[in-house]
Amino acid sequence: GAVVSQHPSRVICKSGTSVKIECRSLDFQATTMFWYRQFPKQSLMLMATSNEGSKATYEQGVEKDKFLINHASLTLSTLTVTSAHPEDSSFYICSARSGTLRVEAFFGQGTRLTVV
Amino acid sequence: RKEVEQDPGPFNVPEGATVAFNCTYSNSASQSFFWYRQDCRKEPKLLMSVYSSGNEDGRFTAQLNRASQYISLLIRDSKLSDSATYLCVVNGPGNQFYFGTGTSLTVIP
Repeated sequence: GAVVSQHPSRVICKSGTSVKIECRSLDFQATTMFWYRQFPKQSLMLMATSNEGSKATYEQGVEKDKFLINHASLTLSTLTVTSAHPEDSSFYICSARSGTLRVEAFFGQGTRLTVV
Repeated sequence: RKEVEQDPGPFNVPEGATVAFNCTYSNSASQSFFWYRQDCRKEPKLLMSVYSSGNEDGRFTAQLNRASQYISLLIRDSKLSDSATYLCVVNGPGNQFYFGTGTSLTVIP
């Protein structure tokens, strides 16, 4: 199946710093990428949807200035958590889909962010 | 109202049992439906797509009822390795994927 690579898998950062998470589609062109956040024992919550070359669409309640999303190419999207706080500690997962490959989405391995 | 609603369980069943999960979605314009499986601290992986005509893959059967806006997953002859969280996923009209809360399944020896 299609492969999506997410990096880093784990990161610990200090409060107030910014963290960038990368999501790459390795063997297909991802016209659409999604970013999710998952707190312990909860389901994935969609944060934003990004289409290559255009601004991301954020879900209600997600601060676009805090969670910066860039989808500059068909194989790479980045999520930057700016001025991170401990409450931003979570599991962040990206997924990607191709407009032509298959309808379903393929997921990265996730990034566990801990803000101390 | 949530886009996708799912009974979180947990479901604890003995090996060999048959178990069924249901999920409802709110947007009648939704086009695609899936069941994903998520193991603890791992990313979700596609289990199967759900088609209007229903589809079967080995011990797993998925069905879609558009009129009632629900999706079901049936697992027959449960194995220990089936223990996981099963996520109902709906592809919304804006091309987003929305997840249910997940249903936790534990298969007991």
